[in-house]
Amino acid sequence: QAGLTQPPSVSKGLRQTATLTCTGNNNNVGNQGAAWLQQHQGHPPKLLFYRENNRPSGISERLSASRSGNTASLTITGLQPEDEADYYCSAWDSSLNAWVFGGGTKLTVL
Amino acid sequence: QVQLVESGGGVVQPGRSLKLSCAASGFPFSSCTMHWVRQAPGKGLQWVAVILSDGRTEHYADSVKGRFTISRDTSKNTLYLQMDSLRTEDTAVYYCARELNAFDLWGQGTLVTVSS
Repeated sequence: QAGLTQPPSVSKGLRQTATLTCTGNNNNVGNQGAAWLQQHQGHPPKLLFYRENNRPSGISERLSASRSGNTASLTITGLQPEDEADYYCSAWDSSLNAWVFGGGTKLTVL
Repeated sequence: QVQLVESGGGVVQPGRSLKLSCAASGFPFSSCTMHWVRQAPGKGLQWVAVILSDGRTEHYADSVKGRFTISRDTSKNTLYLQMDSLRTEDTAVYYCARELNAFDLWGQGTLVTVSS
């Protein structure tokens, strides 16, 4: 099953802003939006946003999510060392009857 | 305490079977859609299967369709993944995840290694 497209890596400086992208199609991201997850090395993933821009309780307001057409974006402002992690997007694909994930973006905070 | 705890992983030869379990606690398991997601060593997340709260509706990734079966026992608050005809490419950490809102709760994962 075709997955979502994410850049493999993004590097930004401390206190800067990083925007991560996730591109799908009309059957997944363009349909119901994407979810975003964060994974630190050796730990299970953690949900950051669901259905495009809904933030679970406890998620920092430095993080925001949006969508334009078939591309979802995750923006992190005021980057901190603890933001260094792998970030995944995911969406339900209505044509495949399957969830699809992006390949993940490794965010490095310099 | 709201949590998911996986078990049943281990080393298995290609072509053999293995059954994973995921014990749920602290939330109404019977009314939740539940997933299995895996992660091969050093790789990204791959969705495996989902079972809806009705216990009858299931969907699978193409890579496991016909080989893996997801099921649930609401009397035991437990999710299962029966894995048959295992292949070396099935080697991964297997996570169970709850879908109240996308994948909002994850277990710690259990490692499955398929090797001769």
